[in-house]
Amino acid sequence: GQQVQQSPASLVLQEGENAELQCNFSSTATRLQWFYQRPGGSLVSLLSNPSGTKHTGRLTSTTVTKERRGSLHISSSQITDSGTYLCAMERDSNYQLIWGSGTKLIIKP
Amino acid sequence: EAAVTQSPRNKVAVTGGKVTLSCNQTNNHNNMYWYRQDTGHGLRLIHYSYGAGSTEKGDIPDGYKASRPSQENFSLILELATPSQTSVYFCASGDDGEVVQDTQYFGPGTRLLVL
Repeated sequence: GQQVQQSPASLVLQEGENAELQCNFSSTATRLQWFYQRPGGSLVSLLSNPSGTKHTGRLTSTTVTKERRGSLHISSSQITDSGTYLCAMERDSNYQLIWGSGTKLIIKP
Repeated sequence: EAAVTQSPRNKVAVTGGKVTLSCNQTNNHNNMYWYRQDTGHGLRLIHYSYGAGSTEKGDIPDGYKASRPSQENFSLILELATPSQTSVYFCASGDDGEVVQDTQYFGPGTRLLVL
């Protein structure tokens, strides 16, 4: 079965609302990474978080490794935040990533 | 910022033909990776490398070979392409930094269509 599950699969919000994206993983992870995929397809690394909470700009990543879950919070969403957000679990310490299927975020004006 | 480039960006191949996807990175990273992305599967690791001359099998290596002739270049080779290999392929590079948590830097992707 899939080792990394993301929810929701898609999310539609009004500009200015907050987005909460979830990531659950089925085995021990050393950390979670969050990526943003632009509608054109390119991937950008957002946050890398082994545990606890990390902030960057309007993004907050929380990882609870004991409970095998993580989340990405986007505050005050903007239209340009639209795209797909991918969660990836790093297993062991060999830098291999196992990916979720992503959450497609659509921000409407 | 790390720069990862891929070529070609788009490729149409025939079943049974040989396809080579190339990746180049200019940030002197030790590790390089090849993924494919299909709807509903996220990214799946095909092959990866820890440095020049090394290649390792990822989660879905069947039907693919990899070559790492230098620190900068990592190729993915489909000796006998099949329609099931139609996908978007991403190359990434990263380093095992001691202090800064590692991340992977991605190329723009290659869209491969096998007819």
